[in-house]
Amino acid sequence: AQSVSQHNHHVILSEAASLELGCNYSYGGTVNLFWYVQYPGQHLQLLLKYFSGDPLVKGIKGFEAEFIKSKFSFNLRKPSVQWSDTAEYFCAVTGNNRLAFGKGNQVVVIP
Amino acid sequence: NAGVTQTPKFRVLKTGQSMTLLCAQDMNHEYMYWYRQDPGMGLRLIHYSVGEGTTAKGEVPDGYNVSRLKKQNFLLGLESAAPSQTSVYFCASSLAGTGGHQPQHFGDGTRLSIL
Repeated sequence: AQSVSQHNHHVILSEAASLELGCNYSYGGTVNLFWYVQYPGQHLQLLLKYFSGDPLVKGIKGFEAEFIKSKFSFNLRKPSVQWSDTAEYFCAVTGNNRLAFGKGNQVVVIP
Repeated sequence: NAGVTQTPKFRVLKTGQSMTLLCAQDMNHEYMYWYRQDPGMGLRLIHYSVGEGTTAKGEVPDGYNVSRLKKQNFLLGLESAAPSQTSVYFCASSLAGTGGHQPQHFGDGTRLSIL
């Protein structure tokens, strides 16, 4: 079965620090990759997606992610976080009509 | 545009009661999904539908049933609620995709407590 692993479930950092969240998946075929963000009390929103092409994907709010096929990874990065980036972040992978979400990273940014 | 609308937003049930959660989308999306979100577990797919009249099991389908009689609606039913079904339920929809699911649009969630 397809699975998605997200490490460091709880991340606490100060404003202006850099953020990197790891995402590894197990599916070996062609995949579509997503990062979603869930702000406190809100629903999930799409942050960025990768379908094909340039493996470095830029999303909203200064986030980017890099697809490394050989490592089955799709890590999320932001060079300088803000307090408003406090949220839970989910990686999701689809392929061959299967879909799986990671367990999420709870990120708290301290002003 | 309303996007994806879930009703109700909150509900408290007693063990053994039944209820139906309604999801409606106005984006003419083919695919619809029901998830449950529990602390430390992320989102787990309960059931999904790739078109009107079709449904399929996800990761945690037991204890739930679904129906997609109309393209815009996806109903999630609990026939006999159990405390283990206390959770936040999210509905989502997306365009059809070839080989993989498209980005999903999520509703605001339904917080369900089973006593």
